[in-house]
Order: sequence, then structure tokens, then C-alpha cells
Amino acid sequence: DQQVKQNSPSLSVQEGRISILNCDYTNSMFDYFLWYKKYPAEGPTFLISISSIKDKNEDGRFTVFLNKSAKHLSLHIVPSQPGDSAVYFCAAQQDTNAGKSTFGDGTTLTVKP
Amino acid sequence: NAGVTQTPKFQVLKTGQSMTLQCAQDMNHNSMYWYRQDPGMGLRLIYYSASEGTTDKGEVPNGYNVSRLNKREFSLRLESAAPSQTSVYFCASSVRMDVGRVWTQYFGPGTRLLVL
Repeated sequence: DQQVKQNSPSLSVQEGRISILNCDYTNSMFDYFLWYKKYPAEGPTFLISISSIKDKNEDGRFTVFLNKSAKHLSLHIVPSQPGDSAVYFCAAQQDTNAGKSTFGDGTTLTVKP
Repeated sequence: NAGVTQTPKFQVLKTGQSMTLQCAQDMNHNSMYWYRQDPGMGLRLIYYSASEGTTDKGEVPNGYNVSRLNKREFSLRLESAAPSQTSVYFCASSVRMDVGRVWTQYFGPGTRLLVL
């Protein structure tokens, strides 16, 4: 049973447009949700997070939206840049689990110049 | 400040051989983790250590052992490698952020392991 799902393996957008990456989860006990970005041959790096008590968190070009009733979150990148091309992982964690995170399978974003 | 370092970067093993993957962090984090990533899949937790002296199983612990040598170092051992353990292995350490109380993980560059 995969608790965190990213149903789109890939997404291609034009430079300057909006990128929307989606993530669904099944475990209502998750307290935090995170997005990580991964370039080839590197480890993932933290991008942005949101607490389950909020519905939006913004950091520069990146905004994460959480719909708790639908168990759905999305990452918006506006405007998209070629350097944003990477694999994006959605992750979830519970407050009491010492940071253990459950990851989705990732979405490969390609931003075309 | 190197962050999280992993050695080796790449390794080829024959079935049945053993090896230890090394991980060290210089950020004074209490929690450390080992994940594996298979093609087209996300990261799956093998083992984690919430603090020095403690280790716990994650989602896919079979075939692996770990040692939290001290606060800085967390090693992963394959006693008898199998082709199914061909993967990319990531070590991470974690800190709870001041704002929002989320645990943010910092990852090493990974070890690519091929078991023939």
C-alpha cells in the first residue's frame, strides 16, 4: 500500500509558464508534507514544506497547496525556468517519527526554453 | 562544512559478497537515515537512527544491517549481496526546523551499487 502517490511520472512545460506537480496521500496521520528536488547523480535537496494545519505555503517562485479533505497537495512553480528541470519528490512525515519520511515515486519536470 | 558524505560513490559486487557503505555528517544532527532508490521509484527507508545508540527498521530492512558508530557516522552493511540489492543508496541526516517543526532531511550524493 503506497501511502504517498505521484501519479504523473513526467511533466513538460514552457519556460515562463506555470508548473503544477501533484501528490496524493492516504494516511490521515501525516503532520507535514515536503517537496524535494533531485538532479541526476545528486542527492535530493529540500525545497518547501507545509504543515497539515495550513493550506498554503509560499517561498519565492514555489507555492505548495494542501487540500486535507481530498488528501491532495500540489507544488506550483511560477514562472518556470530551465534550471527547474529535475525530479520532484513529494514526502510526508508524522510529528512523532523522528523525521522518518514516506516518499512518492517522483515526477520528472522538463522546462523547455 | 561538507554536509553529508558517502563512500564509495560506486561499487560492483558479486552475489554473496559483503560490503559496508559509509556515511558521515558534520551538521551535528541527531537523526540519520538510509534509503534506497530503484529506477522509476521513490526513496524507500531501509533503517534509521533517531539518536546516537539507537537504530530502527524502516520499510525494507531485510538483507541489511546498520551501525550508528557515533553522532556523525551511520554505516549500512550488506552481509551477502543479492542482485535485488542493485540500487542507489542515499544516506541522510535530519534536523527539526525552528519554524513549523517539520524535520528537513539533508542527503548525501548517493552510492551506486551493482550486484552481479
